[in-house]
Amino acid sequence: QVQLVQSGAEVKKPGASVKVSCKASGYTFTSYGISWVRQAPGQGLEWMGWISAYNGNTNYAQKLQGRVTMTTDTSTSTAYMELRSLRSDDTAVYYCARDLGYCSGGSCYRPTFDYWGQGTLVTVSS
Amino acid sequence: QSVLTQPPSVSAAPGQKVTISCSGSSSNIGNNYVSWYQQLPGTAPKLLIYDNNKRPSGIPDRFSGSKSGTSATLGITGLQTGDEADYYCGTWDSSLSAIVFGGGTKLTVL
Repeated sequence: QVQLVQSGAEVKKPGASVKVSCKASGYTFTSYGISWVRQAPGQGLEWMGWISAYNGNTNYAQKLQGRVTMTTDTSTSTAYMELRSLRSDDTAVYYCARDLGYCSGGSCYRPTFDYWGQGTLVTVSS
Repeated sequence: QSVLTQPPSVSAAPGQKVTISCSGSSSNIGNNYVSWYQQLPGTAPKLLIYDNNKRPSGIPDRFSGSKSGTSATLGITGLQTGDEADYYCGTWDSSLSAIVFGGGTKLTVL
């Protein structure tokens, strides 16, 4: 069965960086992309970006350009999301999700998140 | 302020039917596929509907999706107390160059 298992909760100070992992199993990792979605406390869903597990191509939300980096390690079927220069409003639960759609040339097509990780709470506080 | 507009809350009695609307524009819903997600309290979202009206394996046919112009609708029939959750629509927005979600709708089964 498809599973996405994320790393544990983090507490960071403003200005620091955080790197969240998402280990996939139960499917061919390189056949799908991974999107990252975050949810601030009591708020809705916010898409952060997408990475192809096949070739590492990325498409980041403009709001986070320059602060976020998404990578994959195909040898361990793991996706990573690093967010730098953390601020208090980055406090959120961060989810990875398998994406049946794809992104190319700056656009994403038929985004469909069919499996999700359990979420990782990142708290940014001084 | 979300790009896709959903009602903050809806409610209905067990066994009844409810619809949740998702209103957008030509840069998002009007020219892209819509998906719907259910988020039970304290859990990750779960895919309910994709490509406007398709159900993934394992999702009961009590859940349905439709799209007309720049709006999409999620329908749930035979409401159960276990359906109490937040529901989100999502799609690509070509103006924002981002995948966008509605603000979410809290369903209460009275």
